Amino acid sequence: KQEVTQIPAALSVPEGENLVLNCSFTDSAIYNLQWFRQDPGKGLTSLLLIQSSQREQTSGRLNASLDKSSGRSTLYIAASQPGDSATYLCAVPSNSNSGYALNFGKGTSLLVTP
Amino acid sequence: GAGVSQSPRYKVAKRGQDVALRCDPISGHVSLFWYQQALGQGPEFLTYFQNEAQLDKSGLPSDRFFAERPEGSVSTLKIQRTQQEDSAVYLCASSSPLDPRPNEQYFGPGTRLTVT
Repeated sequence: KQEVTQIPAALSVPEGENLVLNCSFTDSAIYNLQWFRQDPGKGLTSLLLIQSSQREQTSGRLNASLDKSSGRSTLYIAASQPGDSATYLCAVPSNSNSGYALNFGKGTSLLVTP
Repeated sequence: GAGVSQSPRYKVAKRGQDVALRCDPISGHVSLFWYQQALGQGPEFLTYFQNEAQLDKSGLPSDRFFAERPEGSVSTLKIQRTQQEDSAVYLCASSSPLDPRPNEQYFGPGTRLTVT
């Protein structure tokens, strides 16, 4: 079973800092990797999806990289803002037999202070 | 709306009661997933449908959990004789291989179940 680990579990930074969230996975034969954001009491919002053939994806101040061989992905957030405060989840699909059901890490809880 | 919707958003059940949670996927999405998210944890896979066929139910924690999608669109997750350990947020997601980003999953807002 694919195991996904996220480090750190929690992070508090002052506004304006650049930061990196880490995700590792045990089986490098992945189909893609997704980063999600979850606000308290809310569902999941997809931030970035990296296909297995890609090395990185960018959206605004967010950049996600993927290194399949080492089983790692990082989410880089530039110039953090208080509105970025949320839990960030990394997810990797299982195989096609389960429709690419997602295996999630436990998340990184981010607090950006004004 | 164009997104995944779930109802009810909140449900309080007394231990031993049966509950039914509903998911309306994005129109045309053939794949539908249910996940369970305990407090402070990432979501855990419960079951997967392709159209009306339940192809994987390996994540259902006990035989008290039952899911169906009889017409290949709306899905219901039923929990019989609820226990306190069933308290969690239940998330539904849908996807399609024909989307611009194939098989990317879109999530609903979840149903928060509290068993007292």
